[in-house]
Amino acid sequence: NAGVTQTPKFQVLKTGQSMTLQCAQDMNHEYMSWYRQDPGMGLRLIHYSVGAGITDQGEVPNGYNVSRSTTEDFPLRLLSAAPSQTSVYFCASRDRTVNTEAFFGQGTRLTVV
Amino acid sequence: ELKVEQNPLFLSMQEGKNYTIYCNYSTTSDRLYWYRQDPGKSLESLFVLLSNGAVKQEGRLMASLDTKARLSTLHITAAVHDLSATYFCAVDMQGGSEKLVFGKGTKLTVNP
Repeated sequence: NAGVTQTPKFQVLKTGQSMTLQCAQDMNHEYMSWYRQDPGMGLRLIHYSVGAGITDQGEVPNGYNVSRSTTEDFPLRLLSAAPSQTSVYFCASRDRTVNTEAFFGQGTRLTVV
Repeated sequence: ELKVEQNPLFLSMQEGKNYTIYCNYSTTSDRLYWYRQDPGKSLESLFVLLSNGAVKQEGRLMASLDTKARLSTLHITAAVHDLSATYFCAVDMQGGSEKLVFGKGTKLTVNP
């Protein structure tokens, strides 16, 4: 099993550009989430999904869109990148039926210049 | 709103010493998780604590949960350099497991 796969690993964007961070999991988990990690801030929840077709906002949703058309995929879209979105982004998935931990992807390091 | 606080945020200790990292949270929950993160890497699950009084141990690390005090501890025994990393605690929102709220992390440095 690959677990949670994120692409790309690194990305540099210019202010105003758009892009999509990809996240896929092969564990048939219903719950998926996107976090951003900034120095001294821990991990902050951007958006999450409890199943295909269902998404909701987390703590810091502004500037980001998500969709969940399949159980496996949960892409994160930046519509117009800003320097404040420079961060490391992590995707995570969890099984909703068992009290288990979240499994994380390897992260995407995004720099907006 | 659930808030999770860790302390200390930075911890420098000598090999062979013992120390404890604390994780406090603000609202009722009985599910707490500890993760480890090495520099430039992803988060790795260490412990899953699912009830009041739960205690888990793995090598030199032991985690416990007191849901009445809303407190979890991560105890390090006889630290070694390989334990140098950042440690996060995370708490489930009561009533659902779709959202985890993380503390800011404790950066542990173990010096020879």
